[in-house]
Amino acid sequence: AQSVTQLDSHVSVSEGTPVLLRCNYSSSYSPSLFWYVQHPNKGLQLLLKYTSAATLVKGINGFEAEFKKSETSFHLTKPSAHMSDAAEYFCVVSLSSASKIIFGSGTRLSIRP
Amino acid sequence: KAGVTQTPRYLIKTRGQQVTLSCSPISGHRSVSWYQQTPGQGLQFLFEYFSETQRNKGNFPGRFSGRQFSNSRSEMNVSTLELGDSALYLCASSLDRGDTDTQYFGPGTRLTVL
Repeated sequence: AQSVTQLDSHVSVSEGTPVLLRCNYSSSYSPSLFWYVQHPNKGLQLLLKYTSAATLVKGINGFEAEFKKSETSFHLTKPSAHMSDAAEYFCVVSLSSASKIIFGSGTRLSIRP
Repeated sequence: KAGVTQTPRYLIKTRGQQVTLSCSPISGHRSVSWYQQTPGQGLQFLFEYFSETQRNKGNFPGRFSGRQFSNSRSEMNVSTLELGDSALYLCASSLDRGDTDTQYFGPGTRLTVL
């Protein structure tokens, strides 16, 4: 069965410190992987996408994610958090062979001044 | 290019009523997907339309239906509303198939059922 697990429901970091949001997936097929961000009362905005090209994917606003097949992980990182990064982040797995899109449960990122 | 637009942005209905939500995809996008977002259940896939045909369907009752027009605009209908239908309904469009292409989301329609 295919699934995606976001390991932390809430992460809190200080402004200027690194951000790590963890995502693990389970898939029998080669997945496409996405990270989306949702600010309060807004829709989802694409941060970055992995589709079997480079394993390190750079996205918008300084975020990047590394696809590690051996660990079935796709963690999202940013070197230095900014107050505007406070939002909900969703890891998404897309399985073309199964025609399915699976959303993680989300990680709420809080930034301390 | 204009993004995905959804109308209305906010809606208040009472139990038993029906509601229609509208989604206009990004120009050139042929796939439109609908999602329901609630605090308890998170984001759940409702259905996907491509070239006016429903391609995929999530695990929702038949009260939830949709359609897509020739210009790729899509509508979603919920009949006999229940309190549990209160949610943010998100529409996303993509160039081809929603399950492999990058999806671009609209701002959502906030439905409140009283």
